[in-house]
Amino acid sequence: DVKVTQSSRYLVKRTGEKVFLECVQDMDHENMFWYRQDPGLGLRLIYFSYDVKMKEKGDIPEGYSVSREKKERFSLILESASTNQTSMYLCASKYGGPRDEQFFGPGTRLTVL
Amino acid sequence: QKEVEQDPGPLSVPEGAIVSLNCTYSNSAFQYFMWYRQYSRKGPELLMYTYSSGNKEDGRFTAQVDKSSKYISLFIRDSQPSDSATYLCAMIPNTGNQFYFGTGTSLTVIP
Repeated sequence: DVKVTQSSRYLVKRTGEKVFLECVQDMDHENMFWYRQDPGLGLRLIYFSYDVKMKEKGDIPEGYSVSREKKERFSLILESASTNQTSMYLCASKYGGPRDEQFFGPGTRLTVL
Repeated sequence: QKEVEQDPGPLSVPEGAIVSLNCTYSNSAFQYFMWYRQYSRKGPELLMYTYSSGNKEDGRFTAQVDKSSKYISLFIRDSQPSDSATYLCAMIPNTGNQFYFGTGTSLTVIP
């Protein structure tokens, strides 16, 4: 069974804090993704990575950065958290082909006060 | 205009009803079409996957793709309370790895 795990299910941070969200997958997938999910807006892609140390901006990268030092781990960084970054954050991974299934983690509910 | 449009609902049906969920899209390059189911406080999980136009059936679920109309559907027969979830459509072009998601439709099946 493919497993995508996220470091926290719930996180509460203060405005201005630096926040790290960690994602680990155990299936040797090349591609990893970070989304945020908000009511009425659906899933929006923040960043994705198709290989170690490689990254591509998604639709809403502003205020975020990512790191992929190892194939199995993809980190999302909020350099200076703001209240409008309160959201559900979902990590996903897949193999390299377009027909390959994307597997999601359970999500991290981040609240920024 | 969003690349993928999906009616957010919410949709509430009695147990045993046939449910129809739909998405429209604007990008003719989309070739692979998926439906994900997301239970409350969980990540989405793949429910159905189709390539190009046509139908695909899996138990009580049927996925339909009409590329000429840029329209995809998911039908649920004999709906059960355990089908209560948010259903997200997703699609991807033939090249590239970026998925494009609908906003999701919230479904409640009432016993």
